[in-house]
Amino acid sequence: EPEVTQTPSHQVTQMGQEVILRCVPISNHLYFYWYRQILGQKVEFLVSFYNNEISEKSEIFDDQFSVERPDGSNFTLKIRSTKLEDSAMYFCASSELGGETQYFGPGTRLLVL
Amino acid sequence: SQQGEEDPQALSIQEGENATMNCSYKTSINNLQWYRQNSGRGLVHLILIRSNEREKHSGRLRVTLDTSKKSSSLLITASRAADTASYFCATDPYGGATNKLIFGTGTLLAVQP
Repeated sequence: EPEVTQTPSHQVTQMGQEVILRCVPISNHLYFYWYRQILGQKVEFLVSFYNNEISEKSEIFDDQFSVERPDGSNFTLKIRSTKLEDSAMYFCASSELGGETQYFGPGTRLLVL
Repeated sequence: SQQGEEDPQALSIQEGENATMNCSYKTSINNLQWYRQNSGRGLVHLILIRSNEREKHSGRLRVTLDTSKKSSSLLITASRAADTASYFCATDPYGGATNKLIFGTGTLLAVQP
């Protein structure tokens, strides 16, 4: 069964450093999403992406964040200058065109020191 | 309270018993979805119910939706130890630009063998 994959599974970085989280969505999906979950808290929507542009973003997704689909398979989330409060589990998800169900990857646990 | 509040926050039952979790939300929705998350892992889609549906079944899962009360329930029948996980409801708000999901606070279910 096709699934969303994410790399790395864990990342530790120093405050102020840039990180890139990678996702490979399900191959025939056209909508892509990033969510995050701070430890012990709700899963929060960050951004949705379709047709090579951002469709919607939350207020969390400020200028420090960017997304990109650099090729036909990868979807990346970049945090330009990490802060302590960026420590969280980051989930990528994808869905079909017109699809309601989002399929989530296993997540990348980011720890900012 | 925020969009997507589950109760109870935690539920402990014996194997073979039924587990019922509830979710309340604030805004009009296109659909409501339930996800499972094993400790520290990714989100697994369980079931989706649309705003014009009142009940849906999938295996041992039964979901109801009451749009007049803005609430949903998830029933897991004949629970197993492997059902131990956190369960989240997620709503797709009506009128959004994309199908972003708003997650609830989750119910932690422990099934004792």
